[in-house]
Amino acid sequence: QLQLQESGPGLVKPSETLSLTCTVSGGSISSSNYYWGWIRQPPGKELEWIGTVYYSGSTYYNPSLKSRVTISVDTSKNQFSLKLISVTAADTAVYYCARRSAAGNWFDPWGQGTLVTVSS
Amino acid sequence: SYELTQPPSVSVSPGQTASITCSGDKLGDKYACWYQQKPGQSPVLVIYQNNKRPSGIPERFSGSNSGNTATLTISGTQAMDEAVYYCQAWDSSTVVFGGGTKLTVL
Repeated sequence: QLQLQESGPGLVKPSETLSLTCTVSGGSISSSNYYWGWIRQPPGKELEWIGTVYYSGSTYYNPSLKSRVTISVDTSKNQFSLKLISVTAADTAVYYCARRSAAGNWFDPWGQGTLVTVSS
Repeated sequence: SYELTQPPSVSVSPGQTASITCSGDKLGDKYACWYQQKPGQSPVLVIYQNNKRPSGIPERFSGSNSGNTATLTISGTQAMDEAVYYCQAWDSSTVVFGGGTKLTVL
């Protein structure tokens, strides 16, 4: 059964860079049938799509975050990563990684999520 | 940018049918999917491609999408269905989520 696990610092200072990694187990990130995505959820608020990456390295980003986001993939480690620069308190959220079907636009499954707090 | 609108809350009695709507411009021309999120948990896909159920999702969950509105229907609602439900669609290579609907089973 495919599982995704987010990892990275839980606390980031304002103006610094948020870096997270999603490790995929039980399946290959190099499958042509799937994309891999990051979604975040500020405490008590709605879901916000950050971006998606294909195993080839092709990326799609939320226009509202595009200038600050980089998503990359490491097929040798079966991982993909998120970098968000110049963070502020507004970037405090639970960050989820998830698999997206290439046949459509749905995400399944999701990782358990990791809370990242931006604070000095 | 594309927007999806959901009612903030819906209430239903146990055993009754709950309907949660999701509105967007010409949403019926796109595929919609739905997620269930319980407190402290990750979202779980319950409907994809408008009306398909992933394996393991009970038959009481169904979906439709036409015109400007997608609808998630839960028949014979159970207490365990109490959760926040999010719709999601894809527009111009961008993933869009609705604001979420809190389903309360009274």
